[in-house]
Amino acid sequence: EAGVTQSPTHLIKTRGQQATLRCSPISGHTSVYWYQQALGLGLQFLLWYDEGEERNRGNFPPRFSGRQFPNYSSELNVNALELEDSALYLCASSLVDPSTDTQYFGPGTRLTVL
Amino acid sequence: AQKVTQAQTEISVVEKEDVTLDCVYETRDTTYYLFWYKQPPSGELVFLIRRNSFDEQNEISGRYSWNFQKSTSSFNFTITASQVVDSAVYFCALSEAWTGANNLFFGTGTRLTVIP
Repeated sequence: EAGVTQSPTHLIKTRGQQATLRCSPISGHTSVYWYQQALGLGLQFLLWYDEGEERNRGNFPPRFSGRQFPNYSSELNVNALELEDSALYLCASSLVDPSTDTQYFGPGTRLTVL
Repeated sequence: AQKVTQAQTEISVVEKEDVTLDCVYETRDTTYYLFWYKQPPSGELVFLIRRNSFDEQNEISGRYSWNFQKSTSSFNFTITASQVVDSAVYFCALSEAWTGANNLFFGTGTRLTVIP
């Protein structure tokens, strides 16, 4: 069974541009989560989507946004890129019941902002 | 507020030694979930184990074992007879039930280096 997939693997942008990152969940999973792993800041929760709706958001500015498509894949958009947005962005998927469901992660997209 | 502390930033051991990675958590919730993930140099987080707060039974899986103690709010991870392939960053994480938020709160990770 295929795991969580993310594209692209690497992304290089310049300050002020927009970045779009993509994630495909494990088949059957309806929830998608985005996390940022920036140097020195650890792993921080960004967004949670389930059944096409944004369910929860971490402490990030509005220029971090996303969506979930009917096939449960997801996009993370980062507008007006800043140098500190350089990080590894990890996507995870799960079924929706936290009492039983575990988040499984993809390989990540490494975003570099110059 | 929730918090996960991994006090050991880096650990180095010689191959075949045993090593324990510490994790201490804080939560006000009575129902919560604890996790360990492994992050090899490739970057992907690999799920290792999940523990629910109402299940304090310790677990062993091959060379890996986990010790969950609610009395000390700890969820420690031991690797027996370490191998070079165990070299990675290990993260402990917490998820709370009451918020319905589902997101994971991660510790800062422990970088384990196994020297051949």
